[in-house]
Amino acid sequence: DVKVTQSSRYLVKRTGEKVFLECVQDMDHENMFWYRQDPGLGLRLIYFSYDVKMKEKGDIPEGYSVSREKKERFSLILESASTNQTSMYLCASRTSGSYYGYTFGSGTRLTVV
Amino acid sequence: AQTVTQSQPEMSVQEAETVTLSCTYDTSESNYYLFWYKQPPSRQMILVIRQEAYKQQNATENRFSVNFQKAAKSFSLKISDSQLGDTAMYFCAFMKPYNTDKLIFGTGTRLQVFP
Repeated sequence: DVKVTQSSRYLVKRTGEKVFLECVQDMDHENMFWYRQDPGLGLRLIYFSYDVKMKEKGDIPEGYSVSREKKERFSLILESASTNQTSMYLCASRTSGSYYGYTFGSGTRLTVV
Repeated sequence: AQTVTQSQPEMSVQEAETVTLSCTYDTSESNYYLFWYKQPPSRQMILVIRQEAYKQQNATENRFSVNFQKAAKSFSLKISDSQLGDTAMYFCAFMKPYNTDKLIFGTGTRLQVFP
């Protein structure tokens, strides 16, 4: 089974801190995605990556950046955390050209205080 | 831009009964994919069922089936013989291939199955 692993299940950070959310997949998938999940808003795409060192903005990239130095790892970076970035963050991956949906990690619940 | 609408924020059903979750979407494309995902309290998103728009036959997976109405842009999920383990958030999602292949999600329906 494909596994997508998010390094932290729960995270509490202070306003203004630089925050790194890590995601690792073990099936050589080309495409990786970061979503943010909020009640009543569903999942919204922050950033995605087609391949190593390639990234594209999603629908809500403001306040975030990403890094993909290796194929298996896709990091989401909150440059200066703010309380409105308190949310659930979900990472996902897929094989390019596959239309069987994504494989998701189990999420990181981030609280910014 | 494509949008996905789930108009039922919460639903409940008794064990062994049948429940239908609604989803509508908006697109000008003719070729696309639709999905239902389940997110139980463990937070792991699980693919429930997938429909290819060019296939007229409705997809089924055991107790889960869809009613895909392409002209009406409707994609409802029917859960038969509901079980306690079906308690979860359910998300409808749309994917347009050969573009960015992004999954576009609805806002979700929280389903509670009661004994």
